[in-house]
Amino acid sequence: NAGVTQTPKFRILKIGQSMTLQCAQDMNHNYMYWYRQDPGMGLKLIYYSVGAGITDKGEVPNGYNVSRSTTEDFPLRLELAAPSQTSVYFCASSAQQGYGYTFGSGTRLTVV
Amino acid sequence: DQQVKQNSPSLSVQEGRISILNCDYTNSMFDYFLWYKKYPAEGPTFLISISSIKDKNEDGRFTVFLNKSAKHLSLHIVPSQPGDSAVYFCAASVDNAGNMLTFGGGTRLMVKP
Repeated sequence: NAGVTQTPKFRILKIGQSMTLQCAQDMNHNYMYWYRQDPGMGLKLIYYSVGAGITDKGEVPNGYNVSRSTTEDFPLRLELAAPSQTSVYFCASSAQQGYGYTFGSGTRLTVV
Repeated sequence: DQQVKQNSPSLSVQEGRISILNCDYTNSMFDYFLWYKKYPAEGPTFLISISSIKDKNEDGRFTVFLNKSAKHLSLHIVPSQPGDSAVYFCAASVDNAGNMLTFGGGTRLMVKP
């Protein structure tokens, strides 16, 4: 049982490049989330999804896009990378309301 | 505006003693609170939670206390062990809101042998 799998673990992007951060879960969870963690700032919600085909913005969605075509996958897309997007990105899932999250191990992204 | 705040960025405790990590919140709509633990290069892992209908929840060495009137919660670890050294995040959610968690900035706990 893999839980939540994120790829890649590390990536360096040049300004203006694009990339997709992959997230997959094998627990049949309906809810999935993308957070970014900046030093000393905790985790900020980028986008979330309550089920396949349904996504919504979180606290810091600008510069990102998501899709949820299946229950298992929730990729995060960066179209025009900017230095402000240098961060550690965490994907998470949960079964339902009131349950804690299962997090992936994170993707460390540097934009230069 | 940070709705969930952890005002102590770091805490150092001797092995065997009590660790107390604090968290304050401003949104009175929060009704579910959680603590997560994070080791370097890993994702956060769930530690313990408490519903707003309770004021205490205990799980082994970990106890969470909730004071709704003060909008304050705390995590007690007794006795502290070197393996508890990690960053601890408190988080809060509002029911019927997509189960979104709002996280505090984290407290780095160092337990010295």
